[in-house]
Amino acid sequence: KNEVEQSPQNLTAQEGEFITINCSYSVGISALHWLQQHPGGGIVSLFMLSSGKKKHGRLIATINIQEKHSSLHITASHPRDSAVYICAVTVSGSRLTFGEGTQLTVNP
Amino acid sequence: DAGITQSPRHKVTETGTPVTLRCHQTENHRYMYWYRQDPGHGLRLIHYSYGVKDTDKGEVSDGYSVSRSKTEDFLLTLESATSSQTSVYFCAISESNGGSNTEAFFGQGTRLTVV
Repeated sequence: KNEVEQSPQNLTAQEGEFITINCSYSVGISALHWLQQHPGGGIVSLFMLSSGKKKHGRLIATINIQEKHSSLHITASHPRDSAVYICAVTVSGSRLTFGEGTQLTVNP
Repeated sequence: DAGITQSPRHKVTETGTPVTLRCHQTENHRYMYWYRQDPGHGLRLIHYSYGVKDTDKGEVSDGYSVSRSKTEDFLLTLESATSSQTSVYFCAISESNGGSNTEAFFGQGTRLTVV
């Protein structure tokens, strides 16, 4: 069983919809990361959080440490949000462990 | 942008030849990682380093070796390339000191084709 599980694996939405991607982990962590990868592109960090909630523009990330769960929300989705979204965790003072990613497609 | 560069960006090589990929960072981060990304598998850790000359294996380390002689450079070597090592390789860096973490930064990737 992976230490980091993401759901759904694939998600198709219509432009304007509210999107949620979930991440669950089974180990103690010191930080959780949400990453974005566009087709053929590099990987960029969207958020790093260890508690609570963070917001950048239309993106919101939340984490519940007790439940070992995080969500990434996209409000008013747009086709340019189409990408792979990856959850990763830093196990206390140690290396990154990744989920397998969620392929998001937003249709116009 | 974080100072992390991979070289080369693209490489085609023949089966059985040695190949070395380089990751260079200017952030002075302690942790460096090599991942491969294949369809249906997400990012899989090959090797990582937690300091100069300190490395450890990841989940798909067979057929790969690494070296880190300086903080800024992390080299991934395929001693004898095989077609199963055709993949996109990503380097990443992060820092973690006593519970204080930084974001993870990634290189642009190296597309390796073994023919």
